[in-house]
Amino acid sequence: EVQVVESGGGLVQPGRSLRLSCTTSGFSFGDYAMSWVRQAPGKGLEWVGRITRKFYGGTAEIAASVKGRFTISRDDSKSIAYLQMNSLQTEDTAVYYCVGAVGYWGRGTLVTVS
Amino acid sequence: EIVLTQFPGTLSLSPGERATLSCRASQSVNSKFLAWHQQRPGQAPRLLIYETSTRATGIPDRFSGSGSGTDFTLTISRLEPEDFAVYYCQQYDSSLYTFGQGTKVEI
Repeated sequence: EVQVVESGGGLVQPGRSLRLSCTTSGFSFGDYAMSWVRQAPGKGLEWVGRITRKFYGGTAEIAASVKGRFTISRDDSKSIAYLQMNSLQTEDTAVYYCVGAVGYWGRGTLVTVS
Repeated sequence: EIVLTQFPGTLSLSPGERATLSCRASQSVNSKFLAWHQQRPGQAPRLLIYETSTRATGIPDRFSGSGSGTDFTLTISRLEPEDFAVYYCQQYDSSLYTFGQGTKVEI
């Protein structure tokens, strides 16, 4: 069974940093790109970024709205992806989802910046 | 960045009716890289369709996808009560993936 579990969310003050983790099992983590998607309260889905698999260089692409503040990394030995969020702003308040490939969604973790 | 525009914003239908949801891209999208996701209230999204028309595992055949270039469609042939939800299209053709703003299917 595929499992994708986000952790690390919580309440944080503006300007501070937070690192989210995405722990996976049940699929070949190293064979897939991993993405982060967020959803502000009452809003739609916003793609945050993704990291390719190592075969394609493990390259990260970040949405313009958070570029320069957010970075994505991965540890294939642990099947974990990370989202490092710096200089957090109130508008970053959202549920953050990790997605394996295109369709392995986690349940999300809430980040509140206040 | 490829902008995806979904319409209508809201679709008001009854169980048993057919739903047709549209997704228009600001530039051509390779049909291998277009997906649809469903989000029920209070739940995480789940993948319905990938590569424009391939149903994900466990998705019933009343869901179908079609399209090419800049115009894509998700069709639900006969709405079941559990299908009332928000649907998002997503492109993963460019290096910057994007979602549409969503279509809400309501009773």
